[in-house]
Amino acid sequence: DVKVTQSSRYLVKRTGEKVFLECVQDMDHENMFWYRQDPGLGLRLIYFSYDVKMKEKGDIPEGYSVSREKKERFSLILESASTNQTSMYLCASRPYLGQGSGANVLTFGAGSRLTVL
Amino acid sequence: AQSVTQPDIHITVSEGASLELRCNYSYGATPYLFWYVQSPGQGLQLLLKYFSGDTLVQGIKGFEAEFKRSQSSFNLRKPSVHWSDAAEYFCAVGAQERSDMRFGAGTRLTVKP
Repeated sequence: DVKVTQSSRYLVKRTGEKVFLECVQDMDHENMFWYRQDPGLGLRLIYFSYDVKMKEKGDIPEGYSVSREKKERFSLILESASTNQTSMYLCASRPYLGQGSGANVLTFGAGSRLTVL
Repeated sequence: AQSVTQPDIHITVSEGASLELRCNYSYGATPYLFWYVQSPGQGLQLLLKYFSGDTLVQGIKGFEAEFKRSQSSFNLRKPSVHWSDAAEYFCAVGAQERSDMRFGAGTRLTVKP
């Protein structure tokens, strides 16, 4: 089974701190994603990466940046955490875009619940 | 831009009753459509997907969904709901030409005994 591992399940940080959320997948997937999940708003796309060192902004990139130096690892960075970034963060990955039974299906990590005080 | 609308924030059904969760999408090209389920405290699990072909797709746990291009809809159905189906359900849209994928706001399902 594909595994997407998010390094921290729960984090508590203070306003203004720099926060790193790490995500690692073990199936050589090209595409990786970061979403945040908030009640009533569903999953909103922050950033995605379609290859190493390649990234694109999603719908809510403000206040976030990402890094993908290696294919298996996709990091989400909050340069200066704020209370409105308190949320559940979900990482996902999938194989290269294309037709086929496995293509386009996201596999999610368990999530990282971040609280910013 | 792609978008997904789930009009119902919360639905309550009795156990054994039928269920339909609505999903409408907006996208110019042929979409790939998905339903995911998230049980309390759990991660997201794929229920079913539509890429092409037969517009009625079967998924796990007895769920099915029908793609209706004319209505830009991909509604999820189950003929008889079980208490274990209580969860949050998310519709999502992607496309072959694009790398990103968008999700709806979710519908929370409560099952009454």
